[in-house]
Amino acid sequence: EDQVTQSPEALRLQEGESSSLNCSYTVSGLRGLFWYRQDPGKGPEFLFTLYSAGEEKEKERLKATLTKKESFLHITAPKPEDSATYLCAVSRGSQGNLIFGKGTKLSVKP
Amino acid sequence: ETGVTQTPRHLVMGMTNKKSLKCEQHLGHNAMYWYKQSAKKPLELMFVYNFKEQTENNSVPSRFSPECPNSSHLFLHLHTLQPEDSALYLCASSRDTSSGANVLTFGAGSRLTVL
Repeated sequence: EDQVTQSPEALRLQEGESSSLNCSYTVSGLRGLFWYRQDPGKGPEFLFTLYSAGEEKEKERLKATLTKKESFLHITAPKPEDSATYLCAVSRGSQGNLIFGKGTKLSVKP
Repeated sequence: ETGVTQTPRHLVMGMTNKKSLKCEQHLGHNAMYWYKQSAKKPLELMFVYNFKEQTENNSVPSRFSPECPNSSHLFLHLHTLQPEDSALYLCASSRDTSSGANVLTFGAGSRLTVL
């Protein structure tokens, strides 16, 4: 069964304290792995798509990496405005449907 | 307006009411989606429309009835709902569904409470 598991469920960091979020997946025929950010009261906002093992993408303090079994979202020197829930999703087959994980709620304290 | 707009943002309804959620996208996309987001659960795909044709119904109860009159508009008609249907309903759009790597653009969601 296709599955996406994110850990930890919640993460509290001090401002400037770097860390990583994990997304492990089991899916046949992976087409892409997606990271989204969701703020309270808003819909998910697209961050990255990764297509193949070894691929890396960066945006400001965020860096996403992909292996054959998992993806990491590294957050370097986070700021309070990085506080949000980060969602991981995978697509498989020819459809645009995404399978989502439960998300990691990140809190960054000043 | 730009992006994906959902109305209403909040809805409270009784179990015997009939209401509708509306979604409109101004991105020129051809695929539209309904997702359900409940606390402590992953986003659940409900329906997919590609070029106005329904391509997926993810075993959704018949008390949820989607309608897609054109590629820019999507509705979710609600009737005889249950309290466990209370959730955030998210609409999304993408270029189409031909690529498994299409990026979805989400609306802000409609928060539904069923009493």
